[in-house]
Amino acid sequence: EPEVTQTPSHQVTQMGQEVILRCVPISNHLYFYWYRQILGQKVEFLVSFYNNEISEKSEIFDDQFSVERPDGSNFTLKIRSTKLEDSAMYFCASSAGIGVSGNTIYFGEGSWLTVV
Amino acid sequence: GENVEQHPSTLSVQEGDSAVIKCTYSDSASNYFPWYKQELGKGPQLIIDIRSNVGEKKDQRIAVTLNKTAKHFSLHITETQPEDSAVYFCAAHSGGYQKVTFGIGTKLQVIP
Repeated sequence: EPEVTQTPSHQVTQMGQEVILRCVPISNHLYFYWYRQILGQKVEFLVSFYNNEISEKSEIFDDQFSVERPDGSNFTLKIRSTKLEDSAMYFCASSAGIGVSGNTIYFGEGSWLTVV
Repeated sequence: GENVEQHPSTLSVQEGDSAVIKCTYSDSASNYFPWYKQELGKGPQLIIDIRSNVGEKKDQRIAVTLNKTAKHFSLHITETQPEDSAVYFCAAHSGGYQKVTFGIGTKLQVIP
């Protein structure tokens, strides 16, 4: 079954450093997302991306965050200057965007970011 | 924006018993309600979903019900097994292909 893949699975970074989390969405999907989950809390929406631009973002997704689809397969989340409170599991997700099940969102396994 | 409330936050059942998790949502425009299972250290996995034109959906031991008038939806797991132990999230989707709003999660423990 097609799946969303994410790298790295775990990254430790110094506060203030830049981090890039990478994702390969399911190949025929059109909508891409980043969510995050702070340890023990619920999954929170960060941003959705369609047609090479951000279609919606939450209040969490401030100027230190950016997303990019640099080529036909990758989708990245960049955190410019990490803070301790950015420590969380970051999930990439994608959906087909068409058809009866077009809005079903499939999640990757997550990238665990630890900021020290 | 959408607000999804979920309860209970933890649930322990004996193997073979049923488990029920309930959610409410606030946005009457929401029309898609997925349920995700999250095992430790993994991403949420879709287990079942229901759309607003349907009141109930069943898939083997799992069923979901939706009451659009009351803005309630529930997950029912029958004949629970130890491998059902996980965190379950309900979610609501307010149309289009935008964000999904998650509930707080229910940690289900099935005791052998």
